[in-house]
Amino acid sequence: EVQLVESGGGLVQPGRSLRLSCAASGFTFDDYAMHWVRQAPGKGLEWVSGISWNSGSIGYADSVKGRFTISRDNAKNSLYLQMNSLRAEDTALYYCAKEATLGGGVIVTRWFDPWGQGTLVTVSS
Amino acid sequence: SYVLTQPPSVSVAPGQTARITCGGNNIGSKSVHWYQQKPGQAPVLVVYDDSDRPSGIPERFSGSNSGNTATLTISRVEAGDEADYYCQVWDSSSDHPYVFGTGTKVTVL
Repeated sequence: EVQLVESGGGLVQPGRSLRLSCAASGFTFDDYAMHWVRQAPGKGLEWVSGISWNSGSIGYADSVKGRFTISRDNAKNSLYLQMNSLRAEDTALYYCAKEATLGGGVIVTRWFDPWGQGTLVTVSS
Repeated sequence: SYVLTQPPSVSVAPGQTARITCGGNNIGSKSVHWYQQKPGQAPVLVVYDDSDRPSGIPERFSGSNSGNTATLTISRVEAGDEADYYCQVWDSSSDHPYVFGTGTKVTVL
């Protein structure tokens, strides 16, 4: 069974840093791209960042670019999100998600399956 | 960046059919994926690539996509289907390729 377990969330003051982790099991971790998706309280889903299987391709939402850094350790089956210069608007439940794709040589589409249970980040003084 | 628009809410009686729309410019040319999120839980994939169902998802969930609108249809609605539903596309030509819809709250009356 595929499992994704996030950790590292908590209450942090504006301007400070936090590092999220996602422990993966039940699949060959280094075969898949991984992502972070967040959900502010009472709001919708927002893609935050993604990383390819070998860390060769990385992307960020504009809202976090320059402040957040995604990384992975395939030897430890783990995904990370280093969050610096945190703002109140970063307050959200952060989900780790495994990417699924359709297409062989040329990827036709991508989606997220499954998702972890999330870790809550609250940025407040 | 690409925008996906969903109705904020849909209400349906048990046993009836719920239809949740996801509007986007020429969305019919893209593959659409749908997620169900029950209160206090993580999203779960219910339809991928417009109309395919992951294993374990009931046949009551189906999808279609054409023109400027994709639709998730839930047949014979049950109380347990009450949840938020989000559509999502991958826009390969964009700097912001992973796009979610605004979300629809399905209420079972």
